[in-house]
Amino acid sequence: QVQLVQSGPEVKKPGASVRISCKASGYTFSSYGISWVRQAPGQGLEWMAWTSTSNDIKNYARKFQGRLSVTVETSTSTAYMDLRDLRSDDRAVYYCARDRPSGESDYWGRGTLVTVSS
Amino acid sequence: EIVLTQSPGTLSLSPGERATLSCRASQTISITYLAWYQQQPGQAPRLLISGASSRATGIPDRFTGSGSGTDFTLTINRLEPEDFAVYYCQQYNRSPPTFGGGTKVEIK
Repeated sequence: QVQLVQSGPEVKKPGASVRISCKASGYTFSSYGISWVRQAPGQGLEWMAWTSTSNDIKNYARKFQGRLSVTVETSTSTAYMDLRDLRSDDRAVYYCARDRPSGESDYWGRGTLVTVSS
Repeated sequence: EIVLTQSPGTLSLSPGERATLSCRASQTISITYLAWYQQQPGQAPRLLISGASSRATGIPDRFTGSGSGTDFTLTINRLEPEDFAVYYCQQYNRSPPTFGGGTKVEIK
């Protein structure tokens, strides 16, 4: 069955960086893109980025450009999200999701809580 | 970017009743690129509907998506206890993909 297993919770200081991993299984990794979506406490969903898993095409939300990088390692079917220069308002649960070619996210990881605190 | 406005913010209903959730877009969206997700507390979102009206695998037929242009609706017939959750619409017609602010369906 399709699974996206994310890395564990992180606690970071302001200005630090965080890397979250998302290991996919149960399907052909290169046939679906990966999106990253975050959710601040008590808030709605915020799309952050999308990456192809078969070429170098990526798409970032404008507000994160310069601070956010998404990559994939096809040999291990793992996607990564790196967010730099963390601020207190980056505190959120970060989700990876498998995107169908048409664009909807049909499978989601369980989420990774990132806490930013001095 | 396309802004999606969901209404109402909260819907208080009893099990067995019908829920009607609205999602209005700031620009016309192709029906191919409108999805609905359900999120239970502490869980990841779950895809319910894609292409405005196509139920995802395993989604019961009491969930119906409809609409076109700028106005879309998710209808939940005969609410079951497990349907009380937050629902989000999403457009992926134009970049960046955007989500609506969500509608919470709570038990009255």
